[in-house]
Amino acid sequence: GENVEQHPSTLSVQEGDSAVIKCTYSDSASNYFPWYKQELGKRPQLIIDIRSNVGEKKDQRIAVTLNKTAKHFSLHITETQPEDSAVYFCAAKTSGSRLTFGEGTQLTVNP
Amino acid sequence: DGGITQSPKYLFRKEGQNVTLSCEQNLNHDAMYWYRQDPGQGLRLIYYSQIVNDFQKGDIAEGYSVSREKKESFPLTVTSAQKNPTAFYLCASSIAQGTYNSPLHFGNGTRLTVT
Repeated sequence: GENVEQHPSTLSVQEGDSAVIKCTYSDSASNYFPWYKQELGKRPQLIIDIRSNVGEKKDQRIAVTLNKTAKHFSLHITETQPEDSAVYFCAAKTSGSRLTFGEGTQLTVNP
Repeated sequence: DGGITQSPKYLFRKEGQNVTLSCEQNLNHDAMYWYRQDPGQGLRLIYYSQIVNDFQKGDIAEGYSVSREKKESFPLTVTSAQKNPTAFYLCASSIAQGTYNSPLHFGNGTRLTVT
């Protein structure tokens, strides 16, 4: 089955800096890669996703890049703000399969 | 997301008792899932269902049971056989597992404490 590894497990940045979280996946047939943000005590919420036929996708301060050859994808957050502090999960799936999640990254943005 | 309702938000039980967590969705989604999350940990899949009257074990199904008698409902029973039941339980749904770009929509979770 699919295996997703996520790094780093914790990330601390200064407000205004950029943050990058990286994930690798094992199944070359994976074709959908969502990212979820989970604030403390709350449910995970989808913040951005990318399909395998696209190399990059942006939504305001958030972007995701995908390298199918290397089987890795990354979340980029620019101009970080304290409200970006949360746990971020990457995930991957193939058609017909369930999502496989990474272990999560605790992002802390220091004012 | 008002589309998935989990109840109750907090649940307390004594060791040895079975307890059932409720999950209802009005998104007309075919697939539903149960995840367990321990403090500082990731999401571990307990059970999932792709269609009514059908469900499959996830990665940590031991000590849990589910049913899917209605499309809208996917209750999870934590049995006395589950050795460490205290955790945060999340229910989720998606359009269909076979749809490759169908994201999960999560409920607000139930925090279960067993003493």
